[in-house]
Amino acid sequence: DTEVTQTPKHLVMGMTNKKSLKCEQHMGHRAMYWYKQKAKKPPELMFVYSYEKLSINESVPSRFSPECPNSSLLNLHLHALQPEDSALYLCASSPRAAMNTEAFFGQGTRLTVV
Amino acid sequence: AQSVTQPDIHITVSEGASLELRCNYSYGATPYLFWYVQSPGQGLQLLLKYFSGDTLVQGIKGFEAEFKRSQSSFNLRKPSVHWSDAAEYFCAVVGGNEKLTFGTGTRLTIIP
Repeated sequence: DTEVTQTPKHLVMGMTNKKSLKCEQHMGHRAMYWYKQKAKKPPELMFVYSYEKLSINESVPSRFSPECPNSSLLNLHLHALQPEDSALYLCASSPRAAMNTEAFFGQGTRLTVV
Repeated sequence: AQSVTQPDIHITVSEGASLELRCNYSYGATPYLFWYVQSPGQGLQLLLKYFSGDTLVQGIKGFEAEFKRSQSSFNLRKPSVHWSDAAEYFCAVVGGNEKLTFGTGTRLTIIP
């Protein structure tokens, strides 16, 4: 199994809603990532988890709250989002959070905030 | 900090023609370099990577890339493109901060 699975594929939420994005991998990877990608732009790193601990937070607003319940799962909890938060949210994993490893990406969740 | 430049925003090539996508990086030491491909609305798929050793690396789908330290480049090539190669291509680098930094991408269009 060399896949990173993200659910849901599409999500529409209001600005007062609370929702969660989920990401799962069964490759035994110990680093997992959340990226945000706006249309026609490259992915931008949001969070890095290494061995289930948050190691990097790229100054992301607190309305985005990551969680790593175990080594295979990564969640992104969303609350009080703004329309400008609409984007493709990508999850990725790698064997470890180090320079010489490759990241495997999921298919993404297309989020629309209305 | 490291950075990546992809000078071509959009490239159009005929099916069967050769392809070269340019990538230049900025990093003081030897970087770790990657090429990813993204179809519309999809995630990113790794085409190939360079960590060390042979500077010509082979990837999936018939792609190859050559690392040239003197030019700080890591250009992606394919001898004959197929219509299914139409996508967005991202060059990326990992430097000392262990963060994957992407270039702005090159959109590839294939004409029959």
